Amino acid sequence: NAGVMQNPRHLVRRRGQEARLRCSPMKGHSHVYWYRQLPEEGLKFMVYLQKENIIDESGMPKERFSAEFPKEGPSILRIQQVVRGDSAAYFCASSPGLEEPQHFGDGTRLSIL
Amino acid sequence: DQQVKQNSPSLSVQEGRISILNCDYTNSMFDYFLWYKKYPAEGPTFLISISSIKDKNEDGRFTVFLNKSAKHLSLHIVPSQPGDSAVYFCAASATPGNQFYFGTGTSLTVIP
Repeated sequence: NAGVMQNPRHLVRRRGQEARLRCSPMKGHSHVYWYRQLPEEGLKFMVYLQKENIIDESGMPKERFSAEFPKEGPSILRIQQVVRGDSAAYFCASSPGLEEPQHFGDGTRLSIL
Repeated sequence: DQQVKQNSPSLSVQEGRISILNCDYTNSMFDYFLWYKKYPAEGPTFLISISSIKDKNEDGRFTVFLNKSAKHLSLHIVPSQPGDSAVYFCAASATPGNQFYFGTGTSLTVIP
C-alpha cells in the first residue's frame, strides 16, 4: 500500500541547470497536484494534472516551469535554468477524484548553489 | 494574497489539555476544508475534513468546527498528546476545481 512517492528527496543544482522532480501517485489515483513550500511559508499550489492533461496551472510560473503526467510513468515537474529563488521544498499530492482529500509525498528539497 | 490565514504561528499546550488551532479564510466560495499535520522532513498527512453543509466533524480526538458566517474554522484536539507535536495546516477549496489554498501553518508543541 505504497503512498505517494517522490524522488529524489534532495536535489542540488547549480544556477542555470535543469531540475527534474518525479512523483508517482498512490495506486488508483489519477489526479496529481504539485505544491511549493518556501521557507517560513505555507504550501502554494502550482499545478493540477490528470493523466496526459493539465487541468489547472494557474499557480505555476509562466517561464522555466513545466509539468506533465504521461499515460505511463510518473508525473514530472521540470524547472529549466534554475535560479536561487527556486530553492524550496516541492510536494506532490494525489487523489482518486475531485472532492477527495489529497495525499502527499514527502517532498523534494531543491537547493540551488 | 493569502486567502487562508493561520494567525498563530505557534501554540504550546500541556499534555492532556485541549489544543485549539484556528484558521480564517476570505473567499466565500470555499466550501471544502481540510486539516493536515506535518512533521519535519515529511509531507503533510491528512487529518480531517469538513464540507460547508456541516458545521462540525469529529474523528476520535480530532474535531473540526466550521463557522461559515465568520469564515472561520478550528481544529480541536482533546486530549492532547506529545505525539501531536507538529505543524498543522488548514486548507480550503471551492469546488469544482479542487485547487487547495493552504494556510501558513501553526506549530503545536504538546508538553509532557
